[in-house]
Parts: sequence; C-alpha cells; structure tokens
Amino acid sequence: KAGVTQTPRYLIKTRGQQVTLSCSPISGHRSVSWYQQTPGQGLQFLFEYFSETQRNKGNFPGRFSGRQFSNSRSEMNVSTLELGDSALYLCASRDYSDTQYFGPGTRLTVL
Amino acid sequence: GNSVTQMEGPVTLSEEAFLTINCTYTATGYPSLFWYVQYPGEGLQLLLKATKADDKGSNKGFEATYRKETTSFHLEKGSVQVSDSAVYFCALSPGGYQKVTFGTGTKLQVIP
Repeated sequence: KAGVTQTPRYLIKTRGQQVTLSCSPISGHRSVSWYQQTPGQGLQFLFEYFSETQRNKGNFPGRFSGRQFSNSRSEMNVSTLELGDSALYLCASRDYSDTQYFGPGTRLTVL
Repeated sequence: GNSVTQMEGPVTLSEEAFLTINCTYTATGYPSLFWYVQYPGEGLQLLLKATKADDKGSNKGFEATYRKETTSFHLEKGSVQVSDSAVYFCALSPGGYQKVTFGTGTKLQVIP
C-alpha cells in the first residue's frame, strides 16, 4: 500500500497570504490528523477529521482550518499568514487499530 | 487530561552502547502506547507499539514494554548504531478515535 502523501513538500509564502496544504491518507484509512512542528513548540495537534467530520481540535486560532473529502483526502488552510506559522506541517492517517501513520510533511516558510 | 512525559534530551551515546529513553504517561482506561522515530527532514515513522498491559513491542532491535503498574513505556536497545541518531517520540492513544497525545521528543545522537 502506498503511504501517506503530502503536497507540496516545500512552500514559500509572504505574510498576509493564505496557503492550502493537501494530504492523501493510506487507502482505507478514514481518519486524517494534522500537526504543526516547530523547533520551539515541538509537535502540536491541529485537528483530526473522520469521515468528513472534525472529530478533535487543538488550540489554534481560527486562521487554521481544514476539511476532508468523501475520498478521505484532506486539506488544511491557513489564512493571513504570520511569520510564526513557518513550520513543518505533518499529516497522519489512522487505521482501525488506532495506529497513526505519518506523511513526509510540508515545509512552510513565511517571509 | 492525558499526558506523556519523556526524558529530556539530547542523549549522546557511543556506538554499541545500551540505550534507554524513559516515557511515562497519565491516562484513564487502557490506552495504546507507541514509539515513533523522526530522522532529519522527514515525517514520523512508527517504530513499535503495544496495546495492553505487559505487551512488549519490538522492531529493528528496539523494545518497549507496557507497564500498567508504573504507567511507563521505556524504549530500549541493546547496541545503538550511528544510524539510530534521530528524535524519538512516545505517544498514547485512548482509543475510539480520540486525540493522540505525544511527548516532547528525545533527541538521540550516537557517535562513532
């Protein structure tokens, strides 16, 4: 089975812009989670979707949003980018045994 | 709420040394426990897992035993290699598609 894929792998944006990141889970997995990873804050949970519904949510401002499509693919959107949004954004899909599998991440740089 | 506590890093070991990375957790019920490894510039990879008390997860020479009585899931390896240099994360999942909780990660550096 193919693993979790994320696109794009690298992205450079300027402050005030918005960005959309994409994640395709492992085939058959219905849950997709998003995490932000920075050197200072570590790994922080953004949100999780299951069958197109947001199941869990972290403590991020409303500028961070997501959605999941009927084929389980998910997108994450960040509006009005700030310098502090520069990070590695990781997506993970979860199987029936509750195990998460991560993608390679999208490295976002905000200038 | 649930929490995972890992030992502070970085941990620096010589090649072939014995490795222990401590992980303790707080959770109600019987969560599943995981270790993930992250190499530079990559995502997290599942290293091993255990789903019930006294289970031992193992993979690539790494082992961890689910200890309910001490709420611990310490990662061990008998002889580390330079290629094991990475960041290791301990995590727990309560089940039922509830939020997964991660530790802060422990950086391991193995020197030749």
